[in-house]
Amino acid sequence: GAVVSQHPSWVICKSGTSVKIECRSLDFQATTMFWYRQFPKQSLMLMATSNEGSKATYEQGVEKDKFLINHASLTLSTLTVTSAHPEDSSFYICSARAPTSGVYNEQFFGPGTRLTVL
Amino acid sequence: GNSVTQMEGPVTLSEEAFLTINCTYTATGYPSLFWYVQYPGEGLQLLLKATKADDKGSNKGFEATYRKETTSFHLEKGSVQVSDSAVYFCALSTEGTYKYIFGTGTRLKVLA
Repeated sequence: GAVVSQHPSWVICKSGTSVKIECRSLDFQATTMFWYRQFPKQSLMLMATSNEGSKATYEQGVEKDKFLINHASLTLSTLTVTSAHPEDSSFYICSARAPTSGVYNEQFFGPGTRLTVL
Repeated sequence: GNSVTQMEGPVTLSEEAFLTINCTYTATGYPSLFWYVQYPGEGLQLLLKATKADDKGSNKGFEATYRKETTSFHLEKGSVQVSDSAVYFCALSTEGTYKYIFGTGTRLKVLA
């Protein structure tokens, strides 16, 4: 149980275009989802926290107009990178918190999406 | 503020060697502690977890004990295999928030 999927697993786009990444909880309802960005050989940087039906909460320094997050249902959150540029190239990982996460506050991670902007 | 400090990598070991990856934390209250493993090109997989002092998390031969007196959660394995080569992340989650704070990650390379 507690499986999170991401789609696509990798994407290449041209500079100036927008890219949408989907994050789905497959066998549970995710009350909260998180979006992370990981640069090569570095740790994960939390970009934003999204709760179903409400606006995402962005971390300091993350441009909310650049990285649009929508959490339309309890099983789906999307991250749209708008007007992508080469510096947006990165590995994007989502995670989800299940109602059963309980005392551990455990998050379940997706496999990641590698974005390359040419 | 809350933080996680991991030992610098990379760590290179021979197969069957003993592994220790140090992790210490700073947090208010009683955080939950986690070790995640990331294989090349993949997301994070939970390796083990602990939620209170003296809890020992274990999985696949890996162990870590929640030491509140030393604010540590060191990862150990008695005999590593080539397949253990990956990046290991220590993380905490504090009470009242669902956010994770990750350490910088430690790359492990095991040679045959």
